[in-house]
Amino acid sequence: GDKVKQSPSALSLQEGTNSALRCNFSIAATTVQWFLQNPRGSLMNLFYLVPGTKENGRLKSAFDSKESYSTLHIRDAQLEDSGTYFCAADDTNAYKVIFGKGTHLHVLP
Amino acid sequence: NAGVIQTPRHKVTGKGQEATLWCEPISGHSAVFWYRQTIVQGLEFLTYFRNQAPIDDSGMPKERFSAQMPNQSHSTLKIQSTQPQDSAVYLCASSFTGGTGQLYFGEGSKLTVL
Repeated sequence: GDKVKQSPSALSLQEGTNSALRCNFSIAATTVQWFLQNPRGSLMNLFYLVPGTKENGRLKSAFDSKESYSTLHIRDAQLEDSGTYFCAADDTNAYKVIFGKGTHLHVLP
Repeated sequence: NAGVIQTPRHKVTGKGQEATLWCEPISGHSAVFWYRQTIVQGLEFLTYFRNQAPIDDSGMPKERFSAQMPNQSHSTLKIQSTQPQDSAVYLCASSFTGGTGQLYFGEGSKLTVL
């Protein structure tokens, strides 16, 4: 099965509302990264996390290594938040980063 | 800092031709990664280099695909005898610390094999 599972796979929400994306791991991860792929295809860094939380503007992410999951919270969603969100975790046994399949987010006006 | 630079952004080849994709990592980054992205398979790891040495090529198709990093400022991904199933966006990323460090991606090279 997938070592990094993202949920939901797709999501539509109204502008101004809040949402949470989740990433579950079946690997012993020590770091998590979140990316946003915009409609042009560019993958932009959002967060690089060790266990704990980080916040940047309307985005907040948490990583719990013991429970093997990470979340990305979007507050007051804007149209420009639309795109595909990827999480990636380091597989310490393989010494590489493993990506989830992404969450397609569509923010509606 | 210019970020990771990939060229060409778009390439169209005929079946059986060769395609070479280029990547210039962020200056000072020691690791370079290649990924392939398709609708069906998502983001697939292909290979990575650290300090120009090949470290892990477990994701590379055994035939027709090769990658090199002749110097610290660029890496190439070469596909020989391209096939329609090679059509994808090829993404290059670099990292300061290596295999599990924070990744910085280029904008990708979209390869279309007719």
